[in-house]
Amino acid sequence: DQQVKQNSPSLSVQEGRISILNCDYTNSMFDYFLWYKKYPAEGPTFLISISSIKDKNEDGRFTVFLNKSAKHLSLHIVPSQPGDSAVYFCAASSYASGGSYIPTFGRGTSLIVHP
Amino acid sequence: DAGVIQSPRHEVTEMGQEVTLRCKPISGHNSLFWYRQTMMRGLELLIYFNNNVPIDDSGMPEDRFSAKMPNASFSTLKIQPSEPRDSAVYFCASSPASYNEQFFGPGTRLTVL
Repeated sequence: DQQVKQNSPSLSVQEGRISILNCDYTNSMFDYFLWYKKYPAEGPTFLISISSIKDKNEDGRFTVFLNKSAKHLSLHIVPSQPGDSAVYFCAASSYASGGSYIPTFGRGTSLIVHP
Repeated sequence: DAGVIQSPRHEVTEMGQEVTLRCKPISGHNSLFWYRQTMMRGLELLIYFNNNVPIDDSGMPEDRFSAKMPNASFSTLKIQPSEPRDSAVYFCASSPASYNEQFFGPGTRLTVL
């Protein structure tokens, strides 16, 4: 059973408009949430994160919102640019006894930004 | 820094053959992770190491899979014997201790015929 779900496999947006990518999780023990961006033939790269004690984190054009009661987070990209076209993975993590934060990934949303 | 290095980038082999994937983490990172990405299951954690010690291998699908980390700068993921359903992209990632973000390598695309 998926603990982290990205229900939209793909999203198409016009350049300059807002892109909103959504993610839902089921495990209330998750205490840190991350978004990764992946281009073809490359590994995922970290984009932005948020701790469970916050409800918003902003970094330039990227903002992540967290709604703990709904177990939902979203990534907003404003304005969207063609270079943002990639697969975006949502990840939720908790601290493991072995001393690492262990993420659980969603299946990804493919964002296409049209010029 | 060169980032996480994985080799080979592509591997095509026949069913029954042994496959060894290699990873060099970023220098100074204490944690190393092996992932597998497929269309059906997305990005799955197979195993992770802290300070070269395997901590959790519950994601390893079968006994045909094994992983080692003989030193802080090298890890291998071995599949023997390989099967067509092992075809996937395998990623290695590393991170400093108690760090949330992970740094991924470019992946190895494995095709088992």
